[in-house]
Amino acid sequence: NAGVTQTPKFQVLKTGQSMTLQCAQDMNHNSMYWYRQDPGMGLRLIYYSASEGTTDKGEVPNGYNVSRLNKREFSLRLESAAPSQTSVYFCASSEPRWRASGNTIYFGEGSWLTVV
Amino acid sequence: LAKTTQPISMDSYEGQEVNITCSHNNIATNDYITWYQQFPSQGPRFIIQGYKTKVTNEVASLFIPADRKSSTLSLPRVSLSDTAVYYCLVGDPGVTYKYIFGTGTRLKVLA
Repeated sequence: NAGVTQTPKFQVLKTGQSMTLQCAQDMNHNSMYWYRQDPGMGLRLIYYSASEGTTDKGEVPNGYNVSRLNKREFSLRLESAAPSQTSVYFCASSEPRWRASGNTIYFGEGSWLTVV
Repeated sequence: LAKTTQPISMDSYEGQEVNITCSHNNIATNDYITWYQQFPSQGPRFIIQGYKTKVTNEVASLFIPADRKSSTLSLPRVSLSDTAVYYCLVGDPGVTYKYIFGTGTRLKVLA
């Protein structure tokens, strides 16, 4: 009963390095999301994938790329990390709202990223 | 983009009822309103969801007026463990799956 699993949980990068955050969900959800949360701040949507094969920009997509590898997996890549990208990153998934009377989003436990 | 507005913070005492209101003027006809709770160092988790009028579950109630431009989360008899950030979420009326969280309301429950 894993739900949404993110790796790694903690990572320290040097400015200019690249890395990929991995996310997988086992709930057969169609939609997946990447959010970032800066200290003491709310969640901001980076990218989302409404269904397998599609991705779209959210509120703060600059500096990031995503890949919806298959229905289960949605990765977030930082090509050239910057200190401004120091944050906690949350992956999430949900069912399309037309399939149910509503919609709830399930979140992973977060990935703490520090760029020095 | 769908936009929600909530108070930034609230304080309450144990045992009191807490009401947190969220404004969402451009909610779409078919959108639902969902509230999430987030503890430090954790991802948000679902509390309650509704479309109109009143919804109640074992932890909270949600009141939605007829025009649906706002909603109120009601937490009965809060305890210290209810100290968290509470987010109101509605579906983006322009893009179905673009769920935007607001700034949230930081609730602090005092002994």
